[in-house]
Amino acid sequence: SQQGEEDPQALSIQEGENATMNCSYKTSINNLQWYRQNSGRGLVHLILIRSNEREKHSGRLRVTLDTSKKSSSLLITASRAADTASYFCATGFDSSYKLIFGSGTRLLVRP
Amino acid sequence: NAGVTQTPKFQVLKTGQSMTLQCAQDMNHNSMYWYRQDPGMGLRLIYYSASEGTTDKGEVPNGYNVSRLNKREFSLRLESAAPSQTSVYFCASSEGSRPGLILFFGSGTQLSVL
Repeated sequence: SQQGEEDPQALSIQEGENATMNCSYKTSINNLQWYRQNSGRGLVHLILIRSNEREKHSGRLRVTLDTSKKSSSLLITASRAADTASYFCATGFDSSYKLIFGSGTRLLVRP
Repeated sequence: NAGVTQTPKFQVLKTGQSMTLQCAQDMNHNSMYWYRQDPGMGLRLIYYSASEGTTDKGEVPNGYNVSRLNKREFSLRLESAAPSQTSVYFCASSEGSRPGLILFFGSGTQLSVL
């Protein structure tokens, strides 16, 4: 079964609005990452947050991590049509080279 | 810099046929990975190679074999393709400095097995 589950599965917003996506996971992690996938392309890394961090920012992206609830959220502020993509969370573990991905959130930003 | 290059981009096979998906990276990364992506399932790890000369099974290795040919190249082989292997396949690489490794992905191979 998937380690990470994103919520919602799909999200449609107007340009300029904020988009929030959530990720829940099952086991203890070392870090959690978010990736973006444009249609027909490979995934691109956006941001990494470590298990001892609670919040991280990168440009218009804000990621939070709550290890007690085993959940993370990705906030994209002031969204643009170019943000239309699928977003995936991925969990990393101590002593492991594996990253386990969730099922993704499809974001549509309407102009 | 090409990054991670996968070939072919598209492939149609008949059930029982075999084929090899090729992947090469030019970033001098130690670790390489093969994932498959199915609708609604996200990405699932098939095999990975933490370093040259080593390979390990991921979540869904059945029906696949891999070869880490050298530091640059990591191939995925389907010996006898089945319709259940219809999917988009992604190769990825990482510097391999665990924990906190970040993956760089190729653009994918869309495979259909009829």
